[in-house]
Amino acid sequence: DTEVTQTPKHLVMGMTNKKSLKCEQHMGHRAMYWYKQKAKKPPELMFVYSYEKLSINESVPSRFSPECPNSSLLNLHLHALQPEDSALYLCASSQGGAGGLKAQYFGPGTRLLVL
Amino acid sequence: AQSVTQLDSQVPVFEEAPVELRCNYSSSVSVYLFWYVQYPNQGLQLLLKYLSGSTLVKGINGFEAEFNKSQTSFHLRKPSVHISDTAEYFCAVSSSHSGGGADGLPFGKGTHLIIQP
Repeated sequence: DTEVTQTPKHLVMGMTNKKSLKCEQHMGHRAMYWYKQKAKKPPELMFVYSYEKLSINESVPSRFSPECPNSSLLNLHLHALQPEDSALYLCASSQGGAGGLKAQYFGPGTRLLVL
Repeated sequence: AQSVTQLDSQVPVFEEAPVELRCNYSSSVSVYLFWYVQYPNQGLQLLLKYLSGSTLVKGINGFEAEFNKSQTSFHLRKPSVHISDTAEYFCAVSSSHSGGGADGLPFGKGTHLIIQP
C-alpha cells in the first residue's frame, strides 16, 4: 500500500481564519513533506520532517506552521493567509534514513483558496 | 546540488503515436531519477524510478525510461499513447548519498503531454 491521504480535499478561507490541513500515511515512512504547487508549476518544497523532527523549513512565512504529532501524521496550520497563498498543497512521504531518497509518495492534495 | 531540466514545456502527440519526453540532470555524484505524472486536479503519481542496475526502467501505464549516464539524460517514452495519457509529467532527481529525504525532491518544470485524437 503506497497511499498518502489528505484532508480536506478543498478549502476556502478568509484572510483572518485559522484552518489546518491534515496528512496521514501508514507505510512506516519516517520522512514527511509539505509542498506548495501553483498552477502550471512544479511543486515547491516547504517543510521536511525526518523522524518527527523538522529538518527543513524553506524560508516559509510564519503564517504556515507545520506539526508532526507522530510518525504517521503531518499537519499544516494556516493563519492570516494572503490571497497569493491560494494553491494546491501536497503532502508526501518517503522511507527516510541514509542511502538517499529512493521514492517519494504523494497525497491527492488540498486545493486552497484564500479570499 | 542536483537539478533536472525538462526542455519541452508542452508536447502535442496524436493518439496511438509514440512519444518521448526529455529530461536531463545535473549532478556531481551518483543519482536516483524519477518520473511522476499529475492528472488534472490530482496529486503526483510515481511512474517509474531508476536507482541502479539496468538502465532501461519500465513503469506503470506502459511507460519506460532509459538512464544514460554519458548524456546525463533520463528520457521517458511510450510506444503508443492514449487520450488518457494527457497530463503533466515531472522529472526529478536525488542524490544516492544524501540522507533519505533530507533535501526533498527537486523537480523539473514539467512537460504537458497533449494527446490529439
